[in-house]
Amino acid sequence: DSGVTQTPKHLITATGQRVTLRCSPRSGDLSVYWYQQSLDQGLQFLIHYYNGEERAKGNILERFSAQQFPDLHSELNLSSLELGDSALYFCASSQGVMNTEAFFGQGTRLTVV
Amino acid sequence: GEDVEQSLFLSVREGDSSVINCTYTDSSSTYLYWYKQEPGAGLQLLTYIFSNMDMKQDQRLTVLLNKKDKHLSLRIADTQTGDSAIYFCAESGGNYGGSQGNLIFGKGTKLSVKP
Repeated sequence: DSGVTQTPKHLITATGQRVTLRCSPRSGDLSVYWYQQSLDQGLQFLIHYYNGEERAKGNILERFSAQQFPDLHSELNLSSLELGDSALYFCASSQGVMNTEAFFGQGTRLTVV
Repeated sequence: GEDVEQSLFLSVREGDSSVINCTYTDSSSTYLYWYKQEPGAGLQLLTYIFSNMDMKQDQRLTVLLNKKDKHLSLRIADTQTGDSAIYFCAESGGNYGGSQGNLIFGKGTKLSVKP
């Protein structure tokens, strides 16, 4: 158990809908990262938050947004969902901004039908 | 652009050594990583190597880095059936230092260990 908690584990929704994925980092970790894992694109970095502020952006679509709250949990919001958004979404956390180790959650599997 | 390449499959017999290879393109990467993903599970950090090192050993794992050729390998000694998983190579992205804020992952190598 990495100490990073993601909910829900599975999510099935229809095209055009909006969903929110939640991540609770390990106790004491200030950084949260979101990744998307799909069959065709592999693992891709989406976005990084540190202590409530956005620090880096990767291949995140405009339909997607994220935030990190004062209690350090983070949410990834996916809207106007398309079939191609079906993927495994991972959250990872680390202590600071420039850490060599990050710990991954078990992921949320999103299926868009 | 940045890219990480790995072969997709590797099959070995239990007790043999496994060597998983990876090539990367970003010479500015400060750290290079190996992650393991078991079916239905998240990513587990196995080990990492700083870019000014040639080798790092951690129990059954040996990481070799050839910075000139941008080639990274992971050797697993005495491979066990429990080592069957997908292994991902990753390089730290260009945003800042060694942060894992922007990891570039390979597509993963599926290791199958036959008894």
